[in-house]
Amino acid sequence: RKEVEQDPGPFNVPEGATVAFNCTYSNSASQSFFWYRQDCRKEPKLLMSVYSSGNEDGRFTAQLNRASQYISLLIRDSKLSDSATYLCVVDGWDDKIIFGKGTRLHILP
Amino acid sequence: GAGVSQSPRYKVAKRGQDVALRCDPISGHVSLFWYQQALGQGPEFLTYFQNEAQLDKSGLPSDRFFAERPEGSVSTLKIQRTQQEDSAVYLCASSPFAGRGEKLFFGSGTQLSVL
Repeated sequence: RKEVEQDPGPFNVPEGATVAFNCTYSNSASQSFFWYRQDCRKEPKLLMSVYSSGNEDGRFTAQLNRASQYISLLIRDSKLSDSATYLCVVDGWDDKIIFGKGTRLHILP
Repeated sequence: GAGVSQSPRYKVAKRGQDVALRCDPISGHVSLFWYQQALGQGPEFLTYFQNEAQLDKSGLPSDRFFAERPEGSVSTLKIQRTQQEDSAVYLCASSPFAGRGEKLFFGSGTQLSVL
């Protein structure tokens, strides 16, 4: 099993819809979890951290399920500008930060 | 500028040539990471420095890859005898903390094309 796994997509979603994707991780000792966003031909940028209690930032909600070892990202009322690749990031043991392969999201007008 | 700077932005190399990629992290950042990103893939971890110490180099794909950060600031990733499979974007990221993904700041990357 790979350390961090994501559905690569692409997810093609109409504007205004709600979309959610998950990410699973293999190391139960992992402590910190994040979602990064990467636009085409650009560098990744932090979207949001994922806290044990779940957290929300505007239209974005992140959840952590330690028992099943997955994190999720929910985007409500999707905008054209949300089109990007969303990278799941796990901060594991020995300070190694592992990226998933990313989930591509296309918001359709 | 205040961000992570990488140079060159693009590099074309002939197979067998040696290349050196430079990363200038944000001043004062403790951690520095190198990642390799192939087209359509997520960044793959190569190596990690905490100040000048290379704490993890388990992601380097072969002994042709070598990274250094001698004074705990600027880092260089060197690839010897480049092969076509080395073609990718090489991303550098720095952080003010040790191993905290939350505060990773990425450079724009070096796109390496090996012909």
